[in-house]
Amino acid sequence: GQQVMQIPQYQHVQEGEDFTTYCNSSTTLSNIQWYKQRPGGHPVFLIQLVKSGEVKKQKRLTFQFGEAKKNSSLHITATQTTDVGTYFCAGFKTGANNLFFGTGTRLTVIP
Amino acid sequence: DSGVTQTPKHLITATGQRVTLRCSPRSGDLSVYWYQQSLDQGLQFLIQYYNGEERAKGNILERFSAQQFPDLHSELNLSSLELGDSALYFCASSTEGSGRARTKNIQYFGAGTRLSVL
Repeated sequence: GQQVMQIPQYQHVQEGEDFTTYCNSSTTLSNIQWYKQRPGGHPVFLIQLVKSGEVKKQKRLTFQFGEAKKNSSLHITATQTTDVGTYFCAGFKTGANNLFFGTGTRLTVIP
Repeated sequence: DSGVTQTPKHLITATGQRVTLRCSPRSGDLSVYWYQQSLDQGLQFLIQYYNGEERAKGNILERFSAQQFPDLHSELNLSSLELGDSALYFCASSTEGSGRARTKNIQYFGAGTRLSVL
């Protein structure tokens, strides 16, 4: 079954509002990556977090890796219409060779 | 442009048929991954190849198979197609296993092949 869950599955926000998606794994991850897939497009790598408790920022996006390395979050401040898309987290489980992708959160931004 | 090329972009076929999807990874990437994305669904990992050998297997059906050739391009073969196989199939490549740090395993996705089984 699905081992990396994301919530919410869908989120509609008014332009200018903040948005957060949460990623939870049933097991410890060696690292976590975030990808964005625009409608009709393919997933594009955003960022990778490796250390416990790590926080990284990219302009209006803030990424956090949990202390136990089992969860992560992506927060977007003051959303814009260009933020529309599905955001996936993906992690390597310790000892595994492949990425486990989360279920994704589809963000809609209402102008 | 990710540097990963997938062909064809679209494929329409009938149930029971067999198709082959092709992927050329980024220059220098040794690993190729295949994913299936059904409508409004997440990314289902199918299989990974590294330098010609199978490295990891996900939820890949027995009707599906893949291989990676000496020039590192990969093919995903789907046979005895069913309506439920209609989906977007993505290929991704990474430098994983190339000797670089594991923390560099960023995946670069191709534009995908949209398969419609009628």
